[in-house]
Amino acid sequence: GNSVTQMEGPVTLSEEAFLTINCTYTATGYPSLFWYVQYPGEGLQLLLKATKADDKGSNKGFEATYRKETTSFHLEKGSVQVSDSAVYFCALAGSSYKLIFGSGTRLLVRP
Amino acid sequence: DVKVTQSSRYLVKRTGEKVFLECVQDMDHENMFWYRQDPGLGLRLIYFSYDVKMKEKGDIPEGYSVSREKKERFSLILESASTNQTSMYLCASSISRTRGNQPQHFGDGTRLSIL
Repeated sequence: GNSVTQMEGPVTLSEEAFLTINCTYTATGYPSLFWYVQYPGEGLQLLLKATKADDKGSNKGFEATYRKETTSFHLEKGSVQVSDSAVYFCALAGSSYKLIFGSGTRLLVRP
Repeated sequence: DVKVTQSSRYLVKRTGEKVFLECVQDMDHENMFWYRQDPGLGLRLIYFSYDVKMKEKGDIPEGYSVSREKKERFSLILESASTNQTSMYLCASSISRTRGNQPQHFGDGTRLSIL
């Protein structure tokens, strides 16, 4: 069945550092891929998405490229801010209604 | 933008009470979902509804029921609350059951404590 694997956190970075959060997936067919962000005490917000191979999703300085050959969708940001501290979830949507979530990666950015 | 609104951010109830969590979405989405989120366990799907009065069990439906009388509103019901139902509850919606590959849009969550 479909599954998503994320790197375990927490990831601790200094402000302005480069961020990578790894996400790999297993799926049949041609799923869509998403990154969600959850700030403390809040629900999940859709951060970016990609619907087919080689698509690049981007938003708020974050990017992720749908790599079918490596079954990956790594999240990157060139220069993180303290306000980026949150939990990030990678997710996959196939042909059914269900979203398959990774376990989440906590990011802590220090000033 | 899609707006999913959960009626309460924080809720405290007692063991044995019947608890209602309400969720409303404003984008005419067909699908609505209830999840619970617990540390170390991630998001787990409780129930899903793809149309008015239609529902399907998710991964952990025991101890819960749902109601969808109107398209925009999806209620989660704890028939007799227990302490192990203390959790963060998240409601979500997506466009259509017949359209795959769609994102879900989430509310802000309800942090429920059962004493």
